[in-house]
Amino acid sequence: ETGVTQSPTHLIKTRGQQVTLRCSSQSGHNTVSWYQQALGQGPQFIFQYYREEENGRGNFPPRFSGLQFPNYSSELNVNALELDDSALYLCASTSLFSEQYFGPGTRLTVT
Amino acid sequence: GENVEQHPSTLSVQEGDSAVIKCTYSDSASNYFPWYKQELGKGPQLIIDIRSNVGEKKDQRIAVTLNKTAKHFSLHITETQPEDSAVYFCAASIEGADGLTFGKGTHLIIQP
Repeated sequence: ETGVTQSPTHLIKTRGQQVTLRCSSQSGHNTVSWYQQALGQGPQFIFQYYREEENGRGNFPPRFSGLQFPNYSSELNVNALELDDSALYLCASTSLFSEQYFGPGTRLTVT
Repeated sequence: GENVEQHPSTLSVQEGDSAVIKCTYSDSASNYFPWYKQELGKGPQLIIDIRSNVGEKKDQRIAVTLNKTAKHFSLHITETQPEDSAVYFCAASIEGADGLTFGKGTHLIIQP
């Protein structure tokens, strides 16, 4: 186990709705990253937070946004959900040696 | 941006044999190359990584090699066991900057 936890495990939403996913990073890790993994594909980088500031972003639209809190936990928010947003959303926390440790993910289904 | 190609997409080997998975990357600035194992219903698990100042790294039955000139790196698993069956992903990044760029994965099947 990595010590990275995510909630909820599964979620079903309707197109156009908004969703918030949560992540608690491993103790001592102050950087958290979010990834989207479509079925049968590798994870794709959404964005990264370091000490509560976004400091890197992949090719995702602004309706994907995030927050990091003083205890280094994090949220991923997605507005105006589309069918293609259905995926496994993964959170990873980064060690002092740059290794990224992933949580179990949240499976989001958009209908 | 970085682009990572991984092959094969599926690899079936007899238990006890070796398995090799290969990846190429496009950005010569990338200097950190981790490998992940993902089992069904779980998040990716870091199994080994290598940095660009090293050509090879071993950890028991697992080894990774890196050829910076050719921009490719490989995962070698020896004496494969049934519990090695999973999807394996390679990734590349510039250490400390942005996120990882992943390959599309290799489904490794260990035949008894």
